[in-house]
Parts: sequence; structure tokens; C-alpha cells
Amino acid sequence: DAGVTQSPTHLIKTRGQHVTLRCSPISGHKSVSWYQQVLGQGPQFIFQYYEKEERGRGNFPDRFSARQFPNYSSELNVNALLLGDSALYLCASSLASGHPDTQYFGPGTRLTVL
Amino acid sequence: DQQVKQNSPSLSVQEGRISILNCDYTNSMFDYFLWYKKYPAEGPTFLISISSIKDKNEDGRFTVFLNKSAKHLSLHIVPSQPGDSAVYFCAASVVDTDKLIFGTGTRLQVFP
Repeated sequence: DAGVTQSPTHLIKTRGQHVTLRCSPISGHKSVSWYQQVLGQGPQFIFQYYEKEERGRGNFPDRFSARQFPNYSSELNVNALLLGDSALYLCASSLASGHPDTQYFGPGTRLTVL
Repeated sequence: DQQVKQNSPSLSVQEGRISILNCDYTNSMFDYFLWYKKYPAEGPTFLISISSIKDKNEDGRFTVFLNKSAKHLSLHIVPSQPGDSAVYFCAASVVDTDKLIFGTGTRLQVFP
């Protein structure tokens, strides 16, 4: 069975640009969460979506937004990129909300902002 | 404000010996604790978890201990194997949420 997939694998953008990252959850999983991992730090929670509705939001500026589609895939959008947005962006999926130990992480998208 | 702390950035252990990774937390509302393992170019992989109503959970070579009064948990790996070499993250969550608060990680190296 396919695990959580994310695209693209790597991405290079310049300051001020916009980026869209994509995540496909494991088949049957209805919850998707997004995390940002800056080099040398642990992953930091950005958003959770369950059944296409936002269930949680971390301490990130409004430049960050996300959505979940009817097929439960998800997009993370970041506007007006800053150098500090350079990080590994991780997506995690789970069957249902409220079961953190059943989250499966994708390999991540490495974003570099120049 | 780092609510979950892993104060040892790295740990080196000989194969066959015990590895002990430590984690401290500050938020009393955390009710579930997890350990993840991460290899380069891969996402974190769930290893073992413990509910706040327990003080120990075992799964094969991995045991997690929770000391709520000290707000401290530890992961014991015994015996350690070279394949255990990875970065280990401690994480915590609040009941009925998927939001995980991660520590900064400990890089474990198991040498022959």
C-alpha cells in the first residue's frame, strides 16, 4: 500500500514568491496535518484538516493557508515567502481525528527560499 | 516557549548496550506522549507511545517510562543495534487532538 506522498520533493523559490505544496494521504485516511521542520529543530504544527474542515491551527502567520479536497488530499499554500520559510514541510495523515499515535508522515517537501 | 525539551542533542552507544533518551515537558495538559524515529530524507516514523494514565509501556526492545510528577519521560532501547542510529523525537499531544508538540530531537549513534 502506498504511504503518504508529497510533491514536489524539493523546491527553490525567491523571497516574495508564492508556493503550493501537495499531500496525498494514505487511502482511507480522512485527517491531514501539516508541520514545518526548520533545520536543527523538531517539527512544528501548522494545520490539521479533518473531513475538509480545519480542526487546528498552529502559531503561523496568515501567509500560511491550507485546504483539503473531497478526495482528502491537501494543499499548503505560503504567500510572500521569507528566507525564514526555508524548511522541510511534512504532511501526516490518520484515519480519524484525535488519534495522534496513528499519524503517518510523508517524506516531506524541502523548500529553499533565496 | 519550548514545551517539550530534549536536552541532549546527541548520544553515542555501543552495540548491545542500552540507549536512554530523555525528554522533559512543561505543559500539564499533555495527556499523550510519543516517540518518533527519523532517518535522513524520510518522514518521522512512529515508534512507541504512552498515555498519561500509565507510567510504562513496552514494545519489544523499546520501553517508554513516564514520570508525571517530574514531567519527564524516557525511551530505553535494549539491546541497541546499529540500525537504531537515527534522530529520535519526543512529542506530546492534548486529548482528542492530532496536534503534536515535538522536542528538538536527539541524534543516536550506535557503533559496533
